[in-house]
Parts: sequence; structure tokens; C-alpha cells
Amino acid sequence: AQTVTQSQPEMSVQEAETVTLSCTYDTSESNYYLFWYKQPPSRQMILVIRQEAYKQQNATENRFSVNFQKAAKSFSLKISDSQLGDTAMYFCAFFSTGNQFYFGTGTSLTVIP
Amino acid sequence: EPEVTQTPSHQVTQMGQEVILRCVPISNHLYFYWYRQILGQKVEFLVSFYNNEISEKSEIFDDQFSVERPDGSNFTLKIRSTKLEDSAMYFCASSEIGQGDEQYFGPGTRLTVT
Repeated sequence: AQTVTQSQPEMSVQEAETVTLSCTYDTSESNYYLFWYKQPPSRQMILVIRQEAYKQQNATENRFSVNFQKAAKSFSLKISDSQLGDTAMYFCAFFSTGNQFYFGTGTSLTVIP
Repeated sequence: EPEVTQTPSHQVTQMGQEVILRCVPISNHLYFYWYRQILGQKVEFLVSFYNNEISEKSEIFDDQFSVERPDGSNFTLKIRSTKLEDSAMYFCASSEIGQGDEQYFGPGTRLTVT
């Protein structure tokens, strides 16, 4: 069975600083997709960044980038130049070829002014 | 920008009653999903739906649950004979092309079973 682990329930970062959220997963599949979703307080989840497992190049999206280590089954999210609007719950998710999403338990990130 | 919408935002029901949670996916999307999140726990996949039939379901999605696309816009989750442990946030999501594609989530329906 697929599992997704986020070992940091809560994190904080000073505005304009950089923070890294960790995620590890377990799977026997070779082709899959990984996602980071953001859920601001009282708002719906939105996609932050997406990585296809067969691509070696790490995905980047403006201030957001990932460090994808396929052999280690690690998928961390780096947020550069943190902004107050980045305060949210961040979920790491694994999408299997069986068309199912597996979410981690989330990391609550607070950006401190 | 198109959004997934869900109604109601909060539903309170008595144990043993049936509830229907409603979702309107993004209009050109073909794949639909339901998830639930029990307070303080992870988001859990329930079911995916494509071409008017269930494509995948989790162990959670037993005979108590059913999904339907009654018309061209709505996607519903029915929970029969609700139990206290069904209390959770239920999220609907949709995607355009399915596997690996970005899923767009609705704001969720908070279901409280008393």
C-alpha cells in the first residue's frame, strides 16, 4: 500500500526567509505523480507544484521548488522568500497509477512578519 | 477562474439518517473525486468517477456510500444510515484528464453526525 509521511506537523519561518517542508512516501510503483497542495485557513486546497516521477529534473514554480529524490522516496518542498500569504496547511500527495490519491497528514506553516 | 463548488457548507444530521452532499465540478472536467478528512487526520480518498461510473474506490467506500452524476453538472455523494464516525469534512475534486492531472478541490462540506 502507498503511504505518505510528513514528519513536521508545524513549522514557522520569518518573512522573506526560506523554509523546507519534508515528505517521504512508500510505493512499489515506478511511475507516479507527486503533488504539494496548499490549504489556506478556511479556504480550499490549491495546487502548489507537481512532479512526474519519470522526470529527473526537479519541478519549480516561481518561489516554490521541490527536491525529488526518487531512490530515497523523498519529495521536499522549498519555499523561498516566504510571504505572509504562504501561511497555510501544506499537504504532500502521491497519485498512483490506480487513480488514487494518498495524502500526508499535513504541515502547518506559519510565516512570521 | 472556474471553481469547484460544494453545498451545503455545513450539514448536521442525526445518526441513522441519510445525507446527500452536492458538488458542481468544473464544467469541462471529466474525472470526479470524493475525499474525506476526519478532524485532525489526513485527507483520505473515497472514490473516483469517470464516464458515469466508479473507476476506483477505497476500502472506506463501502455499501453505505454511493455516488451519482444525476445531470450534466452535479456530482453527489450519498451516505446512508449515517454513523457518528462519518463526521468529517468531505471534499469534492475534479480534473480534466485524470491520472496525474491536477485536481481542483471544492471548499468542502463539514458533516456533523449527532
